[in-house]
Amino acid sequence: AQSVTQLGSHVSVSEGALVLLRCNYSSSVPPYLFWYVQYPNQGLQLLLKYTSAATLVKGINGFEAEFKKSETSFHLTKPSAHMSDAAEYFCAVSDRGTNAGKSTFGDGTTLTVKP
Amino acid sequence: DTAVSQTPKYLVTQMGNDKSIKCEQNLGHDTMYWYKQDSKKFLKIMFSYNNKELIINETVPNRFSPKSPDKAHLNLHINSLELGDSAVYFCASSQEDKRYGYTFGSGTRLTVV
Repeated sequence: AQSVTQLGSHVSVSEGALVLLRCNYSSSVPPYLFWYVQYPNQGLQLLLKYTSAATLVKGINGFEAEFKKSETSFHLTKPSAHMSDAAEYFCAVSDRGTNAGKSTFGDGTTLTVKP
Repeated sequence: DTAVSQTPKYLVTQMGNDKSIKCEQNLGHDTMYWYKQDSKKFLKIMFSYNNKELIINETVPNRFSPKSPDKAHLNLHINSLELGDSAVYFCASSQEDKRYGYTFGSGTRLTVV
């Protein structure tokens, strides 16, 4: 069974500081990995995805994530936080192939950005 | 054009009532889902349909019944609503190949009083 663990339910950074949100996964086969962002009172929006091409994946709004198989990690980073980055972030894992069932989501990390 | 649209956005109802939430996607996706997000923001899958066929049915009370009249629509009907059903319900859709991720609707906030 696949699963993801997001380390730290709350992360607080100052505006302009590095953002690092941690995600570790467990999967019996090479997975697809995703980061989603949820702004208040909105649905989830896909930030970026890893599908076995480059291990360093760039997404929207200046975010990127690196797939590290040896560490079973897919941490999300952004060099300089902006106030508008304050949101809930979810890491998700999915098995490969068609009709392969569901994506499994982590418990989420709330990112707060202080002025 | 909204890709995945849910109605209503807010739903306040009394215990014991029956209510429905509707979802439509115009992306041509084959698979649709219902997720429940509780007050702690945890996301839990409830159901998944692929081309109108139920493929995932998690441990959900049988008061919840999904229905997919065609692959662009997935509705959720809830009987005998309970206080614990209060949550935000998200509809999502995806291509059969899961590498592209999901597209989510904006959610339906259900409050049972």
